[in-house]
Amino acid sequence: DTEVTQTPKHLVMGMTNKKSLKCEQHMGHRAMYWYKQKAKKPPELMFVYSYEKLSINESVPSRFSPECPNSSLLNLHLHALQPEDSALYLCASSQDFSYTDTQYFGPGTRLTVL
Amino acid sequence: GEDVEQSLFLSVREGDSSVINCTYTDSSSTYLYWYKQEPGAGLQLLTYIFSNMDMKQDQRLTVLLNKKDKHLSLRIADTQTGDSAIYFCAESTGDAGNMLTFGGGTRLMVKP
Repeated sequence: DTEVTQTPKHLVMGMTNKKSLKCEQHMGHRAMYWYKQKAKKPPELMFVYSYEKLSINESVPSRFSPECPNSSLLNLHLHALQPEDSALYLCASSQDFSYTDTQYFGPGTRLTVL
Repeated sequence: GEDVEQSLFLSVREGDSSVINCTYTDSSSTYLYWYKQEPGAGLQLLTYIFSNMDMKQDQRLTVLLNKKDKHLSLRIADTQTGDSAIYFCAESTGDAGNMLTFGGGTRLMVKP
């Protein structure tokens, strides 16, 4: 089983709203990732968690706040977003944070900021 | 620095073979991946190859790696309309943890 699940599938929010994206995997993977993907572009890495600790933050604005409550769950808290933050947000996981470990992606959350 | 490049678009007829090409620049030990993305969906891992291999075959998919030219290709045999999607190649090198560098993606259109 190589399934990564994400909820919700679609999310529409105003610029003053607070919302959260959720990602879950039950493969025993210890590295989890958030990516942002704009239309017709490749995914861009936002954050990496390794063993539930934030390992990489790719200079993402503070209106995006990641959280890793346990080894199976990854959240992305959203607050005061801008319309340009509208995108597909992808979660991925891998066995470990080594270049030999394959990343498996979830189906994504389509976010629209009004 | 790392740079992965792909052609933007490929159109083939159903039943033909498709060949999607990718070039990369990093010469260290590396894993190279092919992901498929259908409209509105996430990335589906198709296959991967390590840089000490020349070829890998998995059912209709054949990956060829030319290390000298840093060229990677994905061949899809007997292409079907369900293969229409965007295909991303990606590179993960030993000196950057598990950071993937993606190509820009190739949109494959399969005509019936």
